[in-house]
Amino acid sequence: QQKVQQSPESLIVPEGAMTSLNCTFSDSASQYFAWYRQHSGKAPKALMSIFSNGEKEEGRFTIHLNKASLHFSLHIRDSQPSDSALYLCAVAASNTNKVVFGTGTRLQVLP
Amino acid sequence: GGIITQTPKFLIGQEGQKLTLKCQQNFNHDTMYWYRQDSGKGLRLIYYSITENDLQKGDLSEGYDASREKKSSFSLTVTSAQKNEMAVFLCASSIGWGDNYAEQFFGPGTRLTVL
Repeated sequence: QQKVQQSPESLIVPEGAMTSLNCTFSDSASQYFAWYRQHSGKAPKALMSIFSNGEKEEGRFTIHLNKASLHFSLHIRDSQPSDSALYLCAVAASNTNKVVFGTGTRLQVLP
Repeated sequence: GGIITQTPKFLIGQEGQKLTLKCQQNFNHDTMYWYRQDSGKGLRLIYYSITENDLQKGDLSEGYDASREKKSSFSLTVTSAQKNEMAVFLCASSIGWGDNYAEQFFGPGTRLTVL
């Protein structure tokens, strides 16, 4: 059974800071790795995903994957108050559509 | 674009009651999911379905049943509601598998309260 854990549980950063969120998974056969963002009272929405080891950058957001360490992360450059939300990582194995989400990191960016 | 609708938006039930939540999507997506989200926490997978009439159990399937009679709809039944159970149930769909294909689109949720 896939275990997906996130750290930290919550985080407060000042506007303009670099923010790093972490996700660890247990199934080494996992092939889909994604970050979702959920603003308060809203549905989760996909931010970005990665399928192979390495980095992927989209605007202020960078996802980094290290399959050997069973770890991937999300880095937010120049954090904005509008980035304040619950961040969820998601993982799925290659032979299944079973997507398992992490425990969540609540981010607050102070103006 | 498409949309996912969930009904009802709020559901209040009694302990032991059987309750049904409904989800409809017009993306024409193959795969649909039901997740439970306790207050401010992560999502826990209850059931998913990769095509019409298919059902796959998630990690939290005990106490729930699901049904996928049409490609566009996926329903979830709480077989016996537990007192003090409060959670938001989220429905999602995705086109299938592969790069950009695994992205899930979520509905607005059904908030359940059991008295």
